[in-house]
Amino acid sequence: KNEVEQSPQNLTAQEGEFITINCSYSVGISALHWLQQHPGGGIVSLFMLSSGKKKHGRLIATINIQEKHSSLHITASHPRDSAVYICALDGGATNKLIFGTGTLLAVQP
Amino acid sequence: DADVTQTPRNRITKTGKRIMLECSQTKGHDRMYWYRQDPGLGLRLIYYSFDVKDINKGEISDGYSVSRQAQAKFSLSLESAIPNQTALYFCATSDSPTNEQFFGPGTRLTVL
Repeated sequence: KNEVEQSPQNLTAQEGEFITINCSYSVGISALHWLQQHPGGGIVSLFMLSSGKKKHGRLIATINIQEKHSSLHITASHPRDSAVYICALDGGATNKLIFGTGTLLAVQP
Repeated sequence: DADVTQTPRNRITKTGKRIMLECSQTKGHDRMYWYRQDPGLGLRLIYYSFDVKDINKGEISDGYSVSRQAQAKFSLSLESAIPNQTALYFCATSDSPTNEQFFGPGTRLTVL
């Protein structure tokens, strides 16, 4: 069983829709990262969180440590949000990340 | 200017050739990483370094070697390239203690 699972693998939405991407994991972590990879390939860090909730613009990330689950929400989605969203586990001790396989999001106008 | 740069951005080579991918950073971070990305798979760690004299194997280090020439430079070498090393390669740096990762633009390597 993979240590980190993302769902869905693919998601198509209409512009303006509220989007949720999920990340479940099976190991203890010190933090969880959400990353965005654009069609051109570049990867940027969106959030790091170890508890609760963080918000940046239209993006919201939540984590439930007890349930080993995190969600990334996008409000009022826009075609420019189309990208692969990746969650990654940070075990802390070794500072190495374990990456999920990503969720491919396409937002249609 | 980009904080983490990779050269080359694209490379096509033949089986058996030696290839070096270079990474430079201006962020002043001690930690640097090399990952590969294959379709349908998550990013996988090849090697990482937490200091100039520190080199550590990741989960898929076979067939690769690295050199940390300075705090700002971390090179990845394929001593004898093979077709299943065709992939997208990313260099990254991270900050302590947050471990936020900063990625280079990637190098697309094709081994024929």
